[in-house]
Amino acid sequence: GAGVSQSPRYKVAKRGQDVALRCDPISGHVSLFWYQQALGQGPEFLTYFQNEAQLDKSGLPSDRFFAERPEGSVSTLKIQRTQQEDSAVYLCASSPPPGGQGYSPLHFGNGTRLTVT
Amino acid sequence: DAKTTQPTSMDCAEGRAANLPCNHSTISGNEYVYWYRQIHSQGPQYIIHGLKNNETNEMASLIITEDRKSSTLILPHATLRDTAVYYCIAPEFYNQGGKLIFGQGTELSVKP
Repeated sequence: GAGVSQSPRYKVAKRGQDVALRCDPISGHVSLFWYQQALGQGPEFLTYFQNEAQLDKSGLPSDRFFAERPEGSVSTLKIQRTQQEDSAVYLCASSPPPGGQGYSPLHFGNGTRLTVT
Repeated sequence: DAKTTQPTSMDCAEGRAANLPCNHSTISGNEYVYWYRQIHSQGPQYIIHGLKNNETNEMASLIITEDRKSSTLILPHATLRDTAVYYCIAPEFYNQGGKLIFGQGTELSVKP
C-alpha cells in the first residue's frame, strides 16, 4: 500500500530563500512527526501533530522553522531565510491511533534532502 | 537525550546471525524498547519492539534480559540487504504519540 510520501525529494536553495517541504501521511494516521537528520547523525525530533493540533514543537531550532497541518492530513514544514546550517534531510513520519500497547510504530517517508548554498 | 547506548559499528558475514546489542539500564519498568533500521537514502523502518518478554516477527527476534537493562536484536540469517544503521530506542509516550529520540545507532555491514 501507499506509504508516507514526501516532496520534493531534493531541494537546493540559496541562502536567504524560503522553502516549503510537503508530507503526505498514510491515510487515517492521526499522528505526524517531523525530524531533521544531519549527515552522519541520527534523526532529531522537530515537531509533532495529533490531527491538526501541533502538540509539541520543542525541537524546532529557531523561529525560522514553522510547521502546519491545517486539515489533519497533509503537513508542510516551512523554513524561512534558509541558512547553510539548515542543510539536512527532513523526514516525516506518521502513525495510526495507538494499538493495544498504547503506541503504534512510526512509518517514515524517505525524506527531502535540503541543500542550502 | 537517548536512553540507550549501542556500539558504533559491527560486521557480519552473509548468511550468519547478526546480534546487535543495546544497553538501556535507565529505562523504567513500563518503557518499551523499539528497534528501527535505516538503509542508506531511506527513512527509518520499524523492526520490532518489546517490554520484558522475548519477541519474534518475520524480520527479527528481540531478546530482553530479565533485569531489562539490555537487549539484543537478532537477524537470524543476515543478507547484504540488511546492511543499515540500527537504532535501539526507548520512546517517550505522551498524548497518544511516541516521540522517538534517536541516538547514533549501530552501523551494520553485512559482507559476502
